[in-house]
Amino acid sequence: GAVVSQHPSRVICKSGTSVKIECRSLDFQATTMFWYRQFPKKSLMLMATSNEGSKATYEQGVEKDKFLINHASLTLSTLTVTSAHPEDSSFYICSARDDRDQETQYFGPGTRLLVL
Amino acid sequence: AQSVTQLDSQVPVFEEAPVELRCNYSSSVSVYLFWYVQYPNQGLQLLLKYLSGSTLVKGINGFEAEFNKSQTSFHLRKPSVHISDTAEYFCAVSEGREYGNKLVFGAGTILRVKS
Repeated sequence: GAVVSQHPSRVICKSGTSVKIECRSLDFQATTMFWYRQFPKKSLMLMATSNEGSKATYEQGVEKDKFLINHASLTLSTLTVTSAHPEDSSFYICSARDDRDQETQYFGPGTRLLVL
Repeated sequence: AQSVTQLDSQVPVFEEAPVELRCNYSSSVSVYLFWYVQYPNQGLQLLLKYLSGSTLVKGINGFEAEFNKSQTSFHLRKPSVHISDTAEYFCAVSEGREYGNKLVFGAGTILRVKS
């Protein structure tokens, strides 16, 4: 149980294009999901908290117009990196909080984004 | 605001030897504590968690951790490691629902198990 998937696992795009990453909770409902970014050899940095049916809450320093988050259902949140630039290249990881166990986050496998 | 310190960036150990990965935290409120493991190019897998109750928590793959409130620590231990335990381990703390259940992670400890 408590499986979270992400799609795609890896994406390469040209500078200036937009990329959408999906995060799904497969066997539980998640009113709240989280998006993290991980730089090489670094820890995870929380970007935003995604809540089903409402606007996401962004951490300080994260551009909400750059990183668009939509949480359309209790099992799906999407992160769109708009007008991507090489400095957006990173490993993006989502997590989902099981509505039945609100203290624990379950993580997806991550998406490697490379912007050329 | 809470913070997490993982004192060792890398821990080399021989196969079948015991290991301890250290984690200290700071917070002004009660916390929940977690250990996650990350294998290369993968997401994080929950190893174990402390929410309340017994301070000794057992997790998957033979790992356990002990919550020590007075020392604000949550060290991870395994009595006998395997080559397959080679990975990066992250300690994380949450201040609970009132603070949005946000996780703050330590910098990570790379465990290298040698044969």
